[in-house]
Amino acid sequence: GESVGLHLPTLSVQEGDNSIINCAYSNSASDYFIWYKQESGKGPQFIIDIRSNMDKRQGQRVTVLLNKTVKHLSLQIAATQPGDSAVYFCAEKPVYGNKLVFGAGTILRVKS
Amino acid sequence: GAVVSQHPSWVICKSGTSVKIECRSLDFQATTMFWYRQFPKQSLMLMATSNEGSKATYEQGVEKDKFLINHASLTLSTLTVTSAHPEDSSFYICSAGGGWLAKNIQYFGAGTRLSVL
Repeated sequence: GESVGLHLPTLSVQEGDNSIINCAYSNSASDYFIWYKQESGKGPQFIIDIRSNMDKRQGQRVTVLLNKTVKHLSLQIAATQPGDSAVYFCAEKPVYGNKLVFGAGTILRVKS
Repeated sequence: GAVVSQHPSWVICKSGTSVKIECRSLDFQATTMFWYRQFPKQSLMLMATSNEGSKATYEQGVEKDKFLINHASLTLSTLTVTSAHPEDSSFYICSAGGGWLAKNIQYFGAGTRLSVL
């Protein structure tokens, strides 16, 4: 079936460095993509989203890149901080319907 | 904006009892609410989709008689785990979406940790 997957299950970065979390998706009919951050014992928190007609969107310290040609999504976090340590999920929404398909998740560990 | 409140955050119950979890959208009207289950170090598994005023749509393999969902208003959905057993112990998370504020995005509650003894 359709799925959204991640290349790296765990990413360790030094505080202050930039982080890049990657996600591959398989449903070319998806029109919306979202990144969520989930801290231990909490629900996912919305970070940033992007429509399929865009290839880049920037937020505060975060940038999402979408490459529809290779069905790849990435989340870039600038100047990573200890508070960024969490599990990051990408999610896609097909054109038809309102369900989200979540990726497996990437653990981001920030070393001080 | 887009705050979703979920209660309780943690519940311990005896095997055979029922547990009700509430999910409220505090500052927007959610036409659709979703219930997920999450096991440790795994992704979110969608259990059911709930639209206000209609019956919930359950994902394949989810027992509708065990996980009762009620969505009586645009701001409240409840999940009742009936006759809970230890294998039902898990982290349950609700999300809300729809309306002008959350057309494509789901906003999540803080989750409920259920432990069945």
